[in-house]
Amino acid sequence: DADVTQTPRNRITKTGKRIMLECSQTKGHDRMYWYRQDPGLGLRLIYYSFDVKDINKGEISDGYSVSRQAQAKFSLSLESAIPNQTALYFCATSEPTRDTQYFGPGTRLTVL
Amino acid sequence: AQSVTQLGSHVSVSEGALVLLRCNYSSSVPPYLFWYVQYPNQGLQLLLKYTSAATLVKGINGFEAEFKKSETSFHLTKPSAHMSDAAEYFCAVSDRNNFNKFYFGSGTKLNVKP
Repeated sequence: DADVTQTPRNRITKTGKRIMLECSQTKGHDRMYWYRQDPGLGLRLIYYSFDVKDINKGEISDGYSVSRQAQAKFSLSLESAIPNQTALYFCATSEPTRDTQYFGPGTRLTVL
Repeated sequence: AQSVTQLGSHVSVSEGALVLLRCNYSSSVPPYLFWYVQYPNQGLQLLLKYTSAATLVKGINGFEAEFKKSETSFHLTKPSAHMSDAAEYFCAVSDRNNFNKFYFGSGTKLNVKP
């Protein structure tokens, strides 16, 4: 089984809808991250969490919120989706030595 | 803040030819450096990393990268390309003093021609 899982893998929604993307991990890592990937821009950090009580904004957090429900679960929400949030979203975890990140398979989100 | 530049959004090589993917970083302090690979419809997978041990780092699938402080570079190479190497490659850095943040380059798509 995969160490980092993301649900759903694909989602199409309409402008203004609330969307939640979920990430679960079995690696036992404390640190979790949400990135979005856009063609030609690489990955950009949305939010990151060091533990359940420590959540931090990344470079592009506007329009997004997160919830760390447990060490193993980190959810990303779009309160009111807009078309320019169409992207590939990745969850990642960081090992205790903090020098490597492990990525989930991604969620492809399309906002119409 | 750190930044990463990958020269060439697309690189095309023939099977068996040398692969060279370029990565330069900007930092006053040598960071930790990484190369990740993304195969179609998959997440990112770690190829190799430099964390201040040997400057020549060997990774999976025959790839290696050399950290050159004087050039602020961490180019990825493979002596002989294989069709299965076709993927997108991302260079990334993390701040040694701020491990929580990774900075990714914009990616280079490698095409391998038969």
